[in-house]
Amino acid sequence: GAGVSQTPSNKVTEKGKYVELRCDPISGHTALYWYRQSLGQGPEFLIYFQGTGAADDSGLPNDRFFAVRPEGSVSTLKIQRTERGDSAVYLCASRASGNTGELFFGEGSRLTVL
Amino acid sequence: TQLLEQSPQFLSIQEGENLTVYCNSSSVFSSLQWYRQEPGEGPVLLVTVVTGGEVKKLKRLTFQFGDARKDSSLHITAAQPGDTGLYLCAEGGTTSGTYKYIFGTGTRLKVLA
Repeated sequence: GAGVSQTPSNKVTEKGKYVELRCDPISGHTALYWYRQSLGQGPEFLIYFQGTGAADDSGLPNDRFFAVRPEGSVSTLKIQRTERGDSAVYLCASRASGNTGELFFGEGSRLTVL
Repeated sequence: TQLLEQSPQFLSIQEGENLTVYCNSSSVFSSLQWYRQEPGEGPVLLVTVVTGGEVKKLKRLTFQFGDARKDSSLHITAAQPGDTGLYLCAEGGTTSGTYKYIFGTGTRLKVLA
């Protein structure tokens, strides 16, 4: 497809379980971003990649959160030992090369931790 | 860490009314973007402003960047139900030394027919 694709669209898990969320960016976009959004709030920055490397991971809340982008395209956000407070919509966005520009967002993955 | 405060947090108005929402920063923006987000979707870019004092128009939407580049406003003329959504400002420049695009707290707008 032409847009940013995120899977799964919905994920329900139990407290303590491990979760992976996948993002497939627009082809050719070098920058990829992960955000977390709670209901009615603005997106909270987690991490962004430039190519394969994490250019800024200062938004990851703790060491239970980890993200990879091994080939500079698809990225996976990994959450270990999930907690109820991790419940949110996780948004992925990509941006073409260059220092500034438009972020193109996916529809998000809604995570519910019971 | 730069903080982007938006006001008001919520706004409910009748179709045809005018409104203004605001975005204020604790420090100077290098550039500022406005996005709109509808339920179940990701934010979509409306405009980017770069120069202090800049004014941009997009149909019934007017965007203004403060002279000191620490604030911005979005004015909607004759609001329509299709304008309903979450309006977000975002700083997407080098203020923090990286390009991590910090988003504001959002203004949720509801336009009643």
